[in-house]
Amino acid sequence: AQTVTQSQPEMSVQEAETVTLSCTYDTSESDYYLFWYKQPPSRQMILVIRQEAYKQQNATENRFSVNFQKAAKSFSLKISDSQLGDAAMYFCAYQTGANNLFFGTGTRLTVIP
Amino acid sequence: DTGVSQDPRHKITKRGQNVTFRCDPISEHNRLYWYRQTLGQGPEFLTYFQNEAQLEKSRLLSDRFSAERPKGSFSTLEIQRTEQGDSAMYLCASRRSTGGGSPLHFGNGTRLTVT
Repeated sequence: AQTVTQSQPEMSVQEAETVTLSCTYDTSESDYYLFWYKQPPSRQMILVIRQEAYKQQNATENRFSVNFQKAAKSFSLKISDSQLGDAAMYFCAYQTGANNLFFGTGTRLTVIP
Repeated sequence: DTGVSQDPRHKITKRGQNVTFRCDPISEHNRLYWYRQTLGQGPEFLTYFQNEAQLEKSRLLSDRFSAERPKGSFSTLEIQRTEQGDSAMYLCASRRSTGGGSPLHFGNGTRLTVT
């Protein structure tokens, strides 16, 4: 069974600083996809960044980047130059092929002005 | 792209009553998913459709729960004889099924409170 583990229930970061959110997953598949989703308070879930397992290059989207370690089954999210608007719940998620998405329990990120 | 729309946003019901939620996906998305999210937890998969066919159901989806997508467009999720444990946010999401890895687009959710 696929599981996604986020071991940091809460994290905080000073505005303009960098923070890294951790995620590990368990799978026997070789081809899959990994995602980070952001859920601001009382707002809808939105995609932050996506990584294909067959790509060795780490995905980057502006201030957001990942450190994907396939052998270690680790997929961390780095947020650079943190902004107040980055405050949210962050969920790591795993998907095989066209199947459904499995989510971790989330990390609540607080940005301190 | 008008986004995924869910109705109602909030529903308060008494234990034992039936409730029905609606989801309108992004029009060109043929896959539609239902998730349940309790406070402080990640979304848990309930079921998904490709067009009008329900392809997978989670064991979380007891026989009190039923979902339909009759014309391959909007979907409904019905909970019969609601219980207090059903209180949660019910999220709908959609995506294209072309290849793997296309991201889910989520609606704002329906928050159910069973009293």
